[in-house]
Amino acid sequence: GQQVMQIPQYQHVQEGEDFTTYCNSSTTLSNIQWYKQRPGGHPVFLIQLVKSGEVKKQKRLTFQFGEAKKNSSLHITATQTTDVGTYFCAGDSGGYNKLIFGAGTRLAVHP
Amino acid sequence: SQTIHQWPATLVQPVGSPLSLECTVEGTSNPNLYWYRQAAGRGLQLLFYSVGIGQISSEVPQNLSASRPQDRQFILSSKKLLLSDSGFYLCAWSVSPPKAFFGQGTRLTVV
Repeated sequence: GQQVMQIPQYQHVQEGEDFTTYCNSSTTLSNIQWYKQRPGGHPVFLIQLVKSGEVKKQKRLTFQFGEAKKNSSLHITATQTTDVGTYFCAGDSGGYNKLIFGAGTRLAVHP
Repeated sequence: SQTIHQWPATLVQPVGSPLSLECTVEGTSNPNLYWYRQAAGRGLQLLFYSVGIGQISSEVPQNLSASRPQDRQFILSSKKLLLSDSGFYLCAWSVSPPKAFFGQGTRLTVV
């Protein structure tokens, strides 16, 4: 079945450093989404990428969707303590609206 | 606007007892509905998803079942809970292409 792998599992950075998490799917994805879960909270939708090679930005966050639509990345420039949380990617490969999540990357930011 | 309600927020149940978690969505019609489970510090495991009334797809063989008796109602059940059923249960809805909006979640502890 479809698998979505995400690395690293955990990242510890100093405030102001950059951060990147990578997502790889075993199958071609129809689209990919990114979510953020704050400690103790529920995942919150950040963005969706649909087109091959698509790049989207949200302030300090840059999201990319690979040309083959099997991988994606989230890059945060100059991290802040408010960026703390777990970032998940999720993909739907079969067009059946079955959303499979990666294991997540937990980001710790130290001031 | 759309809202999702999930209850209860926390639950402590003895081993062998039944379980019923309910999720309802307002403000949308014919949503895709999902149940995920998250173990402490881990990723989101898709348990069930539904694209319509009475249509349930099960992702992982387990001690749980799901039902969708109404368009915007999704229920997660168990006849006899196991210790391994403990976790954070999240209900979510989406439209097509899917991007999930999560409820607040239920923290279940089986003792």
